[in-house]
Amino acid sequence: KAGVTQTPRYLIKTRGQQVTLSCSPISGHRSVSWYQQTPGQGLQFLFEYFSETQRNKGNFPGRFSGRQFSNSRSEMNVSTLELGDSALYLCASSFSGAGYEQYFGPGTRLTVT
Amino acid sequence: GESVGLHLPTLSVQEGDNSIINCAYSNSASDYFIWYKQESGKGPQFIIDIRSNMDKRQGQRVTVLLNKTVKHLSLQIAATQPGDSAVYFCAENIYGANSKLTFGKGITLSVRP
Repeated sequence: KAGVTQTPRYLIKTRGQQVTLSCSPISGHRSVSWYQQTPGQGLQFLFEYFSETQRNKGNFPGRFSGRQFSNSRSEMNVSTLELGDSALYLCASSFSGAGYEQYFGPGTRLTVT
Repeated sequence: GESVGLHLPTLSVQEGDNSIINCAYSNSASDYFIWYKQESGKGPQFIIDIRSNMDKRQGQRVTVLLNKTVKHLSLQIAATQPGDSAVYFCAENIYGANSKLTFGKGITLSVRP
């Protein structure tokens, strides 16, 4: 079974721009969660999508948004990028949900200059 | 999970020895716990999980111990190998449909040859 895939793997953007990251979950998994990982804050939960609906949300500003398609693939968008948005963005999929066993993708390394 | 600053605590062990990685969780209502391993340049990889109705669970070369009295979780790795060098995260959750995992900051395991 193929694992979670994320594209692109690396991205460099300028402050004020927007970015869209993509995640393809493991086949059969309906839950997709997004996390931001930084050295200072660790792994922080952004949001979870389950069957195309946002089911849970972390404490991030509205500049961070996402969506899920009928095939469970998910995208995450960050608008008006700030330097502090530089991080590794991880996607995780699960059969049951964000509170259960999840399988992570390799992440997208976003650098904002 | 434990809250540390910019630098993760490090555990250094000799190859072949047993490793014990500890984690203090924060919520006494948490009833599901999970350990992840993250190697450099990769996303976190599921190791083992445990429900609060258990105090011990074993996997291949790994054992998770749960002490609810003192809110302590540990991961034991038998016969530690160089490939075990990574950052290890514990995560906790209050079981439920809209729940999410809360991750600790992580502990670096370094295996000496």
